[in-house]
Amino acid sequence: QVQLVESGGGVVQPGTSLRLSCVGSGLSLSSFAMHWVRQAPGKGLEWVAAISFDGSDKSYADSVRGRITISRDNGKSTIYLEMNSLTPEDTAIYFCAKSKMSLYYDLWGQGTLVTVSS
Amino acid sequence: EVLMTQSPATLSVSPGERATLSCRASQSVGINLAWYQQKPGQAPRLLISGASNRATATPARFSGSGSGTDFTLTISSLQSEDFAIYYCQQYLHWPPLTFGQGTKVEIK
Repeated sequence: QVQLVESGGGVVQPGTSLRLSCVGSGLSLSSFAMHWVRQAPGKGLEWVAAISFDGSDKSYADSVRGRITISRDNGKSTIYLEMNSLTPEDTAIYFCAKSKMSLYYDLWGQGTLVTVSS
Repeated sequence: EVLMTQSPATLSVSPGERATLSCRASQSVGINLAWYQQKPGQAPRLLISGASNRATATPARFSGSGSGTDFTLTISSLQSEDFAIYYCQQYLHWPPLTFGQGTKVEIK
């Protein structure tokens, strides 16, 4: 079964760091651009970051630039999101999503919940 | 940044009726527009790309139209499994990729 599986979420205190992972199961992610999209509780979807198929290009939303790093290990078919200096505003479900050349998402993971609270 | 505005915020429809959802972009995005369906506790699912191209698993009762700044998602005859939140997304001008705020389709 082709799927994306996120992990690494949890409850953390403001100012701390967290690393999320997204593993491709049943498919190799090495040919695809990958993205992280988040959804705050009861809110809509917000694009967070993107990485090209080979990791050479990365883009970030203004709301996270400088605090978040996206990376990938194609050998492990895994995408990462390193988040630093977390604030309560970062509380959300974080989805990884796969795109083709056109930047819409044809496959989503089930999401991992990050809660930033003291 | 391209602002995507969806209307209405909530649409109350009876099963079997037609639903029409709107999405407007703050500048032209051509046909670089996708629609997603999200049910409670689930990830979004791609319905439409290229403004009007149904994804593989999307039933024929879903249709998309429009170009430039104005887009429509139509569900011809609502089924029980169609009650959900629908998001549009533009993917021409980025970063950032931007979504509408969503339209909730609820049972009337």
